[in-house]
Amino acid sequence: KAGVTQTPRYLIKTRGQQVTLSCSPISGHRSVSWYQQTPGQGLQFLFEYFSETQRNKGNFPGRFSGRQFSNSRSEMNVSTLELGDSALYLCASSSLWEETQYFGPGTRLLVL
Amino acid sequence: EDQVTQSPEALRLQEGESSSLNCSYTVSGLRGLFWYRQDPGKGPEFLFTLYSAGEEKEKERLKATLTKKESFLHITAPKPEDSATYLCAVQATATDMRFGAGTRLTVKP
Repeated sequence: KAGVTQTPRYLIKTRGQQVTLSCSPISGHRSVSWYQQTPGQGLQFLFEYFSETQRNKGNFPGRFSGRQFSNSRSEMNVSTLELGDSALYLCASSSLWEETQYFGPGTRLLVL
Repeated sequence: EDQVTQSPEALRLQEGESSSLNCSYTVSGLRGLFWYRQDPGKGPEFLFTLYSAGEEKEKERLKATLTKKESFLHITAPKPEDSATYLCAVQATATDMRFGAGTRLTVKP
């Protein structure tokens, strides 16, 4: 079974731009969560989607948004990028039958 | 407030020198405790899920245990390839998973 995939793997943007990241969950998984990881803050929860509905949201500004499609694929968008948005963005999926989240390889975003 | 604290922050071992990593937590109701391994620049790799106090799970040189307040990840006779950051996470509700800051393990040959 294929794992969680994320595209693109690397991105370089400049301040003020916006960016869209994509995540394809493990086949059959309907829950997708997004995290931001930085050396100083560790792994921080952004939001979680299940069946196209956002079920939970972390403490991030409204510039961070997401959505989930009917095939469970998810996207997250960051508008008006700031230098502090430079991070590894991780997507994780889980099934209805277990709590375990399986992570993708991440998208490394660098904001200049 | 739910909290997850991992110790030590960093650990350096000689190859073959066994040790343990700690994850202490305070949550109102534990649905699950998870251990992950993360290599630099990569996504966390799932290791174990523990659900109730007294539960233990093993995989190769790793063994995870759980009490009502903490979990330990025991590493027996580690090898250099075990070098990584080990993350602990707890799930208190269906949609809320909290991660610790991790323990950075280095195993010298």
